[in-house]
Amino acid sequence: KAGVTQTPRYLIKTRGQQVTLSCSPISGHRSVSWYQQTPGQGLQFLFEYFSETQRNKGNFPGRFSGRQFSNSRSEMNVSTLELGDSALYLCASSAGGRVDSSNEKLFFGSGTQLSVL
Amino acid sequence: GESVGLHLPTLSVQEGDNSIINCAYSNSASDYFIWYKQESGKGPQFIIDIRSNMDKRQGQRVTVLLNKTVKHLSLQIAATQPGDSAVYFCAEKSGGSYIPTFGRGTSLIVHP
Repeated sequence: KAGVTQTPRYLIKTRGQQVTLSCSPISGHRSVSWYQQTPGQGLQFLFEYFSETQRNKGNFPGRFSGRQFSNSRSEMNVSTLELGDSALYLCASSAGGRVDSSNEKLFFGSGTQLSVL
Repeated sequence: GESVGLHLPTLSVQEGDNSIINCAYSNSASDYFIWYKQESGKGPQFIIDIRSNMDKRQGQRVTVLLNKTVKHLSLQIAATQPGDSAVYFCAEKSGGSYIPTFGRGTSLIVHP
């Protein structure tokens, strides 16, 4: 089975621009979560999508948004980029059905490293 | 809110030693715990998990111990190898939540 695929691997943007990151989950997985990882803050949860609906949301401003398509692929968008948005953005997928079953395991992609200049 | 944390940000060991990475959690409602390993340039990779109805679980060269009385979780790595050098995260989840909360991570450095 192919793992979680994130594209692009690296991005360099300037302040004020917007960016779209893509994530393809493991085949059959219906839940996709996004995390921001920085050296100072660790792994911060952005949002989670299940069956094309945002099911959970973290404490990030509205500049951060996402969506999920019918094939479970997901995109996240960051508008009006700020220097502090520089981070590794990680996508994780899981089966996502029952909250109390073994499908709780998250499988992460390698991330998109975003640098905002 | 409640959070998961790690006692030691960096752990240095010699190849062949046993490593112990500790994690404290504060949410008494947490019933599922996971350890992840993140190597440089990669995303976190699942290592082992444990549910709150267990005290110990073993995998290949790894053991997770759970002490609910003091809300403490540990990851033991036997015969540590240079390939074990990575950042290790613990994560906890409570029933009814789809989203685990991650600790800040411990960097394990294995010296040959």
